[in-house]
Amino acid sequence: TQLLEQSPQFLSIQEGENLTVYCNSSSVFSSLQWYRQEPGEGPVLLVTVVTGGEVKKLKRLTFQFGDARKDSSLHITAAQPGDTGLYLCAGVRDSSYKLIFGSGTRLLVRP
Amino acid sequence: DTEVTQTPKHLVMGMTNKKSLKCEQHMGHRAMYWYKQKAKKPPELMFVYSYEKLSINESVPSRFSPECPNSSLLNLHLHALQPEDSALYLCASSQDRGTGGAGGYTFGSGTRLTVV
Repeated sequence: TQLLEQSPQFLSIQEGENLTVYCNSSSVFSSLQWYRQEPGEGPVLLVTVVTGGEVKKLKRLTFQFGDARKDSSLHITAAQPGDTGLYLCAGVRDSSYKLIFGSGTRLLVRP
Repeated sequence: DTEVTQTPKHLVMGMTNKKSLKCEQHMGHRAMYWYKQKAKKPPELMFVYSYEKLSINESVPSRFSPECPNSSLLNLHLHALQPEDSALYLCASSQDRGTGGAGGYTFGSGTRLTVV
């Protein structure tokens, strides 16, 4: 059983469309991070959210941390082919030192 | 230097071989990690080192043996592996263990391991 469940697992959209990826858990996390991974490379950190209800914007990407710190979302506006990749949420539970990854969302943006 | 460097990038080894994976960072990070990633799956934590001491072993088989010679280097010694151990092995570092602070984790590009 995956501690952090992401949905959808796979998303194929046209360039210019908007999309939202969800990361859900029944556990509380002290923080959540979002990474993007391209084939043959390691994950690259996009953002860290630490406060319940926090919203962070990174150009066309908007990240939200749930009020109860159990879930997060990533919204991409006007997707571009360069956004294609594997999006991973990851979190550390309170009193733990382990960064655990979500199940992943594979995004394909078609030109 | 804001990179984690892993060598080799690719490795093919037989089930009776002994090999080592190497990881290096010069960011002054005091926590280092080994993750294993199978195809189309998220990375899975194997080991956590904090201040050069092993602090977490996620019940990894003894055929995987980590070593942290100093604060910049992390090795993973491999012996008598099985074909199902074939995967991408990722090294990461962070300012400290846990969330790694706002800087999060910095990952290397990984070693693609194939056991034949």
